[in-house]
Amino acid sequence: DAGITQSPRHKVTETGTPVTLRCHQTENHRYMYWYRQDPGHGLRLIHYSYGVKDTDKGEVSDGYSVSRSKTEDFLLTLESATSSQTSVYFCAISESGWSSYNEQFFGPGTRLTVL
Amino acid sequence: AQTVTQSQPEMSVQEAETVTLSCTYDTSENNYYLFWYKQPPSRQMILVIRQEAYKQQNATENRFSVNFQKAAKSFSLKISDSQLGDTAMYFCAFNTGNQFYFGTGTSLTVIP
Repeated sequence: DAGITQSPRHKVTETGTPVTLRCHQTENHRYMYWYRQDPGHGLRLIHYSYGVKDTDKGEVSDGYSVSRSKTEDFLLTLESATSSQTSVYFCAISESGWSSYNEQFFGPGTRLTVL
Repeated sequence: AQTVTQSQPEMSVQEAETVTLSCTYDTSENNYYLFWYKQPPSRQMILVIRQEAYKQQNATENRFSVNFQKAAKSFSLKISDSQLGDTAMYFCAFNTGNQFYFGTGTSLTVIP
């Protein structure tokens, strides 16, 4: 199994509070991704990174920010959580991302509930 | 726009039978790669099979095979000799440029 961990695994928070989710990898893969998974929507890309300090927006980036100061860590921040951000969040990594045969390896997911 | 459509939200199959999950996609790119991922109740995403779009030969991995029709932009997954452990959500995806695009998933239940 690819070495990807996410923390926390579960979190309950209140509307308006900041939340940071952490993804940590031990594979030294260049690409890292944050997705959210919701019923009826599958997996939707929030942000991704193609190197240290290199990030870009995905399909559903509003209300989220990311940072990558080290190859192994990719942080997802909800500056002011809303109930619509209640979801399961997955981190994924890939050795190469550009039109690649390389698969994405996924972390175990974080279940976030915003009350 | 890049889209992936899985038109079967739920399916069921008897153990040891064969089932086919459908997937269509839309892209204007010529260079892309296609994937099927499995998500069992444990929630862990697992790669099932992948296909290079420029290869006409359909990929196979043990009991799993695909029917790739590039002109129709169709990428269906066939599971032969279904097993109880195949019960999961299945996602079709493709990779082009810097991103992966996922369908909404098909929930497959294997009935003993």
